[in-house]
Amino acid sequence: SQQGEEDPQALSIQEGENATMNCSYKTSINNLQWYRQNSGRGLVHLILIRSNEREKHSGRLRVTLDTSKKSSSLLITASRAADTASYFCATDATGANSKLTFGKGITLSVRP
Amino acid sequence: NAGVTQTPKFRVLKTGQSMTLLCAQDMNHEYMYWYRQDPGMGLRLIHYSVGEGTTAKGEVPDGYNVSRLKKQNFLLGLESAAPSQTSVYFCASTSMRVSYEQYFGPGTRLTVT
Repeated sequence: SQQGEEDPQALSIQEGENATMNCSYKTSINNLQWYRQNSGRGLVHLILIRSNEREKHSGRLRVTLDTSKKSSSLLITASRAADTASYFCATDATGANSKLTFGKGITLSVRP
Repeated sequence: NAGVTQTPKFRVLKTGQSMTLLCAQDMNHEYMYWYRQDPGMGLRLIHYSVGEGTTAKGEVPDGYNVSRLKKQNFLLGLESAAPSQTSVYFCASTSMRVSYEQYFGPGTRLTVT
């Protein structure tokens, strides 16, 4: 079963705009992670937020976590054409013994 | 550091044939994972290992076997390939002592005809 569900499924924006992607999950978690996948490549870790954190920043990335709503959002500011990729949220559920559960992903297209 | 490597990169099998996918990591990670990625399905965990000599089933283990004889290697075997196993397979590793992020290999694209 899919723990994380991303929204929207696809997003198309102009270069320079901000991109916001959302993830909802079902059970309690230890942490939530976001990954990026360029076409034909493996996933690359972007950022991790722990269950006791509410917001985290890394460069142009901002992640929020609301454990009461079981949801997270990933904001990419000042997007670039190179940000075009698929983005996945992954949850490390409590008691999952190091296993991550990935959502189906969001396809982001950034138009030059 | 090569990170996580996978061989082969591409393979075409006929139904009923067998093959082994090899994953190697040079980061001394304890945990290793095999996932499959299908269109519209995200990544699904096949098997994983929390240390040398130990393996466990993931979400979709049927039709696959694994072995972790050496800490740096994690092998995924298909004994009798089926068209439903056509997919892209990813290996990943992590060290819980350092961080929880997983490092992924480049993937193996497998087609079963």
